[in-house]
Amino acid sequence: QVQLVQSGAEVKKPGSSVKVSCKASGGTFDSYSLSWVRQAPGQGLEWIGRIIPTVGITNYAQRFQGRVTITADKSTATADMELSNLSSDDTAMYYCATGPDVGFTNSVLMDNWGQGTQVTVSS
Amino acid sequence: DIQMTQSPSTLSASVGDRVTITCRASQSISRWLAWYQQKPRRAPKLLIYRTSSLQSGVPSRFSGGGNGTEFTLTISGLQPEDFATYYCQQYNSYCTFGQGTKVEVK
Repeated sequence: QVQLVQSGAEVKKPGSSVKVSCKASGGTFDSYSLSWVRQAPGQGLEWIGRIIPTVGITNYAQRFQGRVTITADKSTATADMELSNLSSDDTAMYYCATGPDVGFTNSVLMDNWGQGTQVTVSS
Repeated sequence: DIQMTQSPSTLSASVGDRVTITCRASQSISRWLAWYQQKPRRAPKLLIYRTSSLQSGVPSRFSGGGNGTEFTLTISGLQPEDFATYYCQQYNSYCTFGQGTKVEVK
């Protein structure tokens, strides 16, 4: 199974943006979709959005619409998630995760996860 | 949006116990339901997909059931490594997670 390796921890100021990267070892995305999920301290999992790298289609959770951009570069097998207008509520561990095609387009299953990237927003 | 509600939030159990976690969807999701296990400071791990299919490498003491709006995860014969937090996730319409169930030592 391809290993997903994420970029390092980030500390950001309120109102700024953060970009987190996720690279597939072996040089290829071998899955249908790549999602971003976050987990605030002591809290549950929250889906942010996903990209289908082969066609570049993105889907975002409604609460992040307009504030998040997910991109993927097939040539480098790297996906990025940029979140703007940060506040302290965005302090969380951010995970990338890939998953298979389950047969219909608006479904997201995740069977391979990165190690997580801590993003801290503090003035 | 589809909401997912798990119960209980915390479950106290002993090694060898049979434990069951329930997950309810706010509308029918057919059988598009997955379960994840997460241990402290680790990424989640997919256990079960399509309600009852075990992911490769997952022990057979884990089982899932249900359909429509009500689903269960059962661990038959709890092992020390099973103490963790479990999340259900619907993927009928993108993705929504339940709030999690922590299985702790009694």
